[in-house]
Amino acid sequence: NAGVTQTPKFQVLKTGQSMTLQCAQDMNHNSMYWYRQDPGMGLRLIYYSASEGTTDKGEVPNGYNVSRLNKREFSLRLESAAPSQTSVYFCASRPGWREGGETQYFGPGTRLLVL
Amino acid sequence: AQKITQTQPGMFVQEKEAVTLDCTYDTSDPSYGLFWYKQPSSGEMIFLIYQGSYDQQNATEGRYSLNFQKARKSANLVISASQLGDSAMYFCAMREGITGGSYIPTFGRGTSLIVHP
Repeated sequence: NAGVTQTPKFQVLKTGQSMTLQCAQDMNHNSMYWYRQDPGMGLRLIYYSASEGTTDKGEVPNGYNVSRLNKREFSLRLESAAPSQTSVYFCASRPGWREGGETQYFGPGTRLLVL
Repeated sequence: AQKITQTQPGMFVQEKEAVTLDCTYDTSDPSYGLFWYKQPSSGEMIFLIYQGSYDQQNATEGRYSLNFQKARKSANLVISASQLGDSAMYFCAMREGITGGSYIPTFGRGTSLIVHP
């Protein structure tokens, strides 16, 4: 049982390049989330998916797109990376309410540097 | 206005002593949940404890307890008998909305805890 996995762990991009951050969970959770963490800012929600087939914007969605490919996978895409997107990105999942869905489970994070 | 406020950027405590990390929140929703997460230097986010707004008793999980004062809108984390491994960043978070509705958490900016031997 791997929990929440994220790839890659580290990435360096040049301004204007694109990339997709991958997230997968094997806990059969309904909801998935993408956060970014900047120094001194805590975690800020980028996008979330309450269930398979749905996605919604969070607090800081500009410059990002997401895809809920299936129940397991939720990817985050940067179409044209900017230095302001240098951050640590966390994916999280959460079970449904009937399964005690108050707690989020986090992946290990992806460190992204945009030059 | 910030929904979650952690006023202590850094805290120091002696090993084996208790420490309280402050968290105040702002919401007009009658149903909400409060969380504490630990982030060690390795970077992962570790769930510690949860308190629901309707829970009558303060939540406890081993050495962690949540001092929930609803009228003051505070949800302080108390760590008893600190250990060196408790050195980490600690984040308070809140979920608003009725159970079964949308779940969009908000995180505070964190408190850095250093435990001295």
